Amino acid sequence: SQTIHQWPATLVQPVGSPLSLECTVEGTSNPNLYWYRQAAGRGLQLLFYSVGIGQISSEVPQNLSASRPQDRQFILSSKKLLLSDSGFYLCAWSTGDRGFTDTQYFGPGTRLTVL
Amino acid sequence: AQSVSQHNHHVILSEAASLELGCNYSYGGTVNLFWYVQYPGQHLQLLLKYFSGDPLVKGIKGFEAEFIKSKFSFNLRKPSVQWSDTAEYFCAVNAEGTDKLIFGTGTRLQVFP
Repeated sequence: SQTIHQWPATLVQPVGSPLSLECTVEGTSNPNLYWYRQAAGRGLQLLFYSVGIGQISSEVPQNLSASRPQDRQFILSSKKLLLSDSGFYLCAWSTGDRGFTDTQYFGPGTRLTVL
Repeated sequence: AQSVSQHNHHVILSEAASLELGCNYSYGGTVNLFWYVQYPGQHLQLLLKYFSGDPLVKGIKGFEAEFIKSKFSFNLRKPSVQWSDTAEYFCAVNAEGTDKLIFGTGTRLQVFP
């Protein structure tokens, strides 16, 4: 069966520090991968998605970036965090057959607090 | 721009009460519709989805949703809730042919025994 992992589960970082959040998927090949952010009182906002290794699409201009160095690994990064980067970050995957109409399977999330 | 509205932010019910959570979207074309649920301590997971066909969709745990195209709505219903239905519920919409899944802000449901 497929599983999705995210780490760390929680993170407290000072403003201006770098960020690296990791997401890995097991039990499937060539998944579509997604990064979402949920800020307090708001819905899930798509940040990045990837349909293959090295292929990243950005939905929202910001100081975050994403990379996909391996088929089942998706990394969210920042060189300098802002206060507004605080939130709950979710990684998700789908089979890739139907694009965004596929069922998406979500990870446990990372709670990021920037102070 | 497409958007999804969930007007009920927090709903409190007693067990056995009926539930209806509202979801409205703004897009005039063909849409694919989803309800996701996040139970306490668990991952966000799919509850049900609508792509085409019968506008009344049945999902897991006795939930159903009805797509009413004229009202741009996809409300979630359950005739009799249980304490275990306590969770946060998210409606999501994909406009056909686009590469975006737009989520609503979520509705927190609390069911008391």
